[in-house]
Amino acid sequence: GAVVSQHPSRVICKSGTSVKIECRSLDFQATTMFWYRQFPKQSLMLMATSNEGSKATYEQGVEKDKFLINHASLTLSTLTVTSAHPEDSSFYICSARDRLTEAFFGQGTRLTVV
Amino acid sequence: AQSVAQPEDQVNVAEGNPLTVKCTYSVSGNPYLFWYVQYPNRGLQFLLKYITGDNLVKGSYGFEAEFNKSQTSFHLKKPSALVSDSALYFCASNTGKLIFGQGTTLQVKP
Repeated sequence: GAVVSQHPSRVICKSGTSVKIECRSLDFQATTMFWYRQFPKQSLMLMATSNEGSKATYEQGVEKDKFLINHASLTLSTLTVTSAHPEDSSFYICSARDRLTEAFFGQGTRLTVV
Repeated sequence: AQSVAQPEDQVNVAEGNPLTVKCTYSVSGNPYLFWYVQYPNRGLQFLLKYITGDNLVKGSYGFEAEFNKSQTSFHLKKPSALVSDSALYFCASNTGKLIFGQGTTLQVKP
């Protein structure tokens, strides 16, 4: 299957700082990328959907000014957690979809805000 | 609105026995259904998908799933479980965006 690379896999940051997470589709063009958040032993919560070259569509309850998403090219989307707080600590997963229906997932990023 | 439900939080099975992880869906139109597996602190790995065609779908690692339209179900099955199959399993549907079930922890004991 196709490969989606997510970086970093783990990050620890201080409260009030910003953290950027990258999601790259390595061997296909991803017109659509998704960002999910997962709490321990829970399902994936869709945060936003991003299409290349346009603004992301955020799910209800997700603060767009806090979770900045940029999808500047067909192979790269970034999620920036701005002014991070301990409650933002979570496992973030990106997903990229090719022109068909299948989605491929990154390895996930464990964010810890101290 | 589309939704996917996994009624069991955890499934326990002995190694070598058959396993079933349940999933039901509620979507309008033709459902696109998926199964993914997640190991601790890792992303999701694709197992199999149903788009159209045969109701019995075969996937990775010996897993298969049966699409049942009348029961709106897409249960994941494997004839003989391995200890290494122990993980978190997600059923998902895709009608524009991928929506996940709650997840089921599969525990295979030796």
